[in-house]
Amino acid sequence: AQSVTQLGSHVSVSEGALVLLRCNYSSSVPPYLFWYVQYPNQGLQLLLKYTSAATLVKGINGFEAEFKKSETSFHLTKPSAHMSDAAEYFCAVSEASSYKLIFGSGTRLLVRP
Amino acid sequence: EAQVTQNPRYLITVTGKKLTVTCSQNMNHEYMSWYRQDPGLGLRQIYYSMNVEVTDKGDVPEGYKVSRKEKRNFPLILESPSPNQTSLYFCASSLTVQGATNYGYTFGSGTRLTVV
Repeated sequence: AQSVTQLGSHVSVSEGALVLLRCNYSSSVPPYLFWYVQYPNQGLQLLLKYTSAATLVKGINGFEAEFKKSETSFHLTKPSAHMSDAAEYFCAVSEASSYKLIFGSGTRLLVRP
Repeated sequence: EAQVTQNPRYLITVTGKKLTVTCSQNMNHEYMSWYRQDPGLGLRQIYYSMNVEVTDKGDVPEGYKVSRKEKRNFPLILESPSPNQTSLYFCASSLTVQGATNYGYTFGSGTRLTVV
């Protein structure tokens, strides 16, 4: 069965520092991968997605993620954190033969002034 | 505006009192799904629907029912709610089943349910 592991339920960074949120997946075939962001009291919003076109994927709000097949990873990064980035982030995986997204347990990003 | 609308946003109810959480989308999407979100567990799929009158169980369907009589609506029914169904619920939709795989979902804003 597929699974997604997000390392660290909470990540705290200073404003202006690098953001790195980790995601590892298990999949027997090349997957489709997603990062979603959830702001307080809101639904999930798609940040970016990997669908095999390019290994480095750029998303909204300055975020990007790199697909590394050898490491089965899809870590999310942003060079410089803003206060407005404070939210919960979810990594999700889907296989081409599947019809649902499987989500990780989420990482809450805290940004310190 | 293209969106998925859930109602109510917040609901407190008592054990055993039937309730319905509504979900409606205005994008003519074929695929709709319900998830529950619990701390430390991420989102888990409850039920999904690939089109009108086509529904199937997800990973955690026990205690829930759904129906899909119209393309735009996908209500979640709790016939006899219990405290372990206290959770944050999300409805999501995608243009097609394949789109759900390739492009992800559009999510509603969520319904926070408390069962006492």
